[in-house]
Amino acid sequence: NAGVTQTPKFQVLKTGQSMTLQCAQDMNHEYMSWYRQDPGMGLRLIHYSVGAGITDQGEVPNGYNVSRSTTEDFPLRLLSAAPSQTSVYFCASSYSRSGGVAEAFFGQGTRLTVV
Amino acid sequence: KNQVEQSPQSLIILEGKNCTLQCNYTVSPFSNLRWYKQDTGRGPVSLTIMTFSENTKSNGRYTATLDADTKQSSLHITASQLSDSASYICVVSSNSGGYNKLIFGAGTRLAVHP
Repeated sequence: NAGVTQTPKFQVLKTGQSMTLQCAQDMNHEYMSWYRQDPGMGLRLIHYSVGAGITDQGEVPNGYNVSRSTTEDFPLRLLSAAPSQTSVYFCASSYSRSGGVAEAFFGQGTRLTVV
Repeated sequence: KNQVEQSPQSLIILEGKNCTLQCNYTVSPFSNLRWYKQDTGRGPVSLTIMTFSENTKSNGRYTATLDADTKQSSLHITASQLSDSASYICVVSSNSGGYNKLIFGAGTRLAVHP
């Protein structure tokens, strides 16, 4: 089982460049989300999706776009990278379970540096 | 504002010793509380999940407790091993519009020395 796969693992961008962080899951989970992790802080939600074609903003959405055309994939786009977006990015997927608790599974992260 | 606070920020213990990590939260509405282990350079991995009605849950040498009245949780690690060196993150889930949003603490960085 691959679980949640993120690519690339490392990336260096120049200010103003654009790029897409890829996230794919093979567990047929409905829910997918993107977080960023900064030193001394907890993971913060950027965007999330409750199913194909449905996305919503999280706590820190500015500077990021997402789309969800399939259940498996949830890419995160940086349109014009800024040094403040230097961070470690995690993608997660989870499923809804009636009357229960949805387990969240995380990818291994993408370490992004914007210079 | 929804917040999850963890203490201590970091901790060093000797192999074989026990330790307890603390988590206080102010999250509403409360759905469940989770503890995750995050190894360096890896994504978080779930250790335990507790709902409002559960006050203790174990996973091997890890035992989590929850006091929903005081909004406190703890993670107790017994007979620590070198492989326990990691960050331990307390996460509170809040159900908003049918979606379980996760509010993360900053984590406790544990180092186990031989």
